[in-house]
Amino acid sequence: RKEVEQDPGPFNVPEGATVAFNCTYSNSASQSFFWYRQDCRKEPKLLMSVYSSGNEDGRFTAQLNRASQYISLLIRDSKLSDSATYLCVVHSINFGNEKLTFGTGTRLTIIP
Amino acid sequence: DAMVIQNPRYQVTQFGKPVTLSCSQTLNHNVMYWYQQKSSQAPKLLFHYYDKDFNNEADTPDNFQSRRPNTSFCFLDIRSPGLGDAAMYLCATSNWGGENIQYFGAGTRLSVL
Repeated sequence: RKEVEQDPGPFNVPEGATVAFNCTYSNSASQSFFWYRQDCRKEPKLLMSVYSSGNEDGRFTAQLNRASQYISLLIRDSKLSDSATYLCVVHSINFGNEKLTFGTGTRLTIIP
Repeated sequence: DAMVIQNPRYQVTQFGKPVTLSCSQTLNHNVMYWYQQKSSQAPKLLFHYYDKDFNNEADTPDNFQSRRPNTSFCFLDIRSPGLGDAAMYLCATSNWGGENIQYFGAGTRLSVL
């Protein structure tokens, strides 16, 4: 089982719709969680941090379920500019080493 | 202003010809990372430095080496690039014990002819 698993998509969603992605992680000792956005041929950029049960930033809502070991990202009123790959990232500490583990990403395309 | 700067943005090398990629940061972060990312794949961690302590991932080939002469700079050396090493190489920094967020440079796209 991969440490961090995401549905690779692609998700093709009409503009204005709501879309949600899930991400599951295997290390129950994972401490913090992030969603990064990566545009084609660009570097990943932090979208949201998820430190407790979840948080909201404008049209974006991230939720964490520690019992079931998954995090989700909800995008409301999607815009064309939301088209990107969304990477789920999990922070954990193993034998004193801190590590970020990336999922393979979920590709989202917003259709006009 | 860019906080993690990678040079060059594009690098073309010949099969077997050594190449060095560079990364610098203005964030004064204690950790610097090198990732390899191929098309439609997640970034793959090659190694990281925590201050001067070098930590190699178990599956990183010996062909890849790194140097961190000071807090601000980190280099990735590919001793004998193969065709399979063509990829985007991403440098990132973070502050362990802090917010644990990684900040990425714009990447160097390496082509091997």
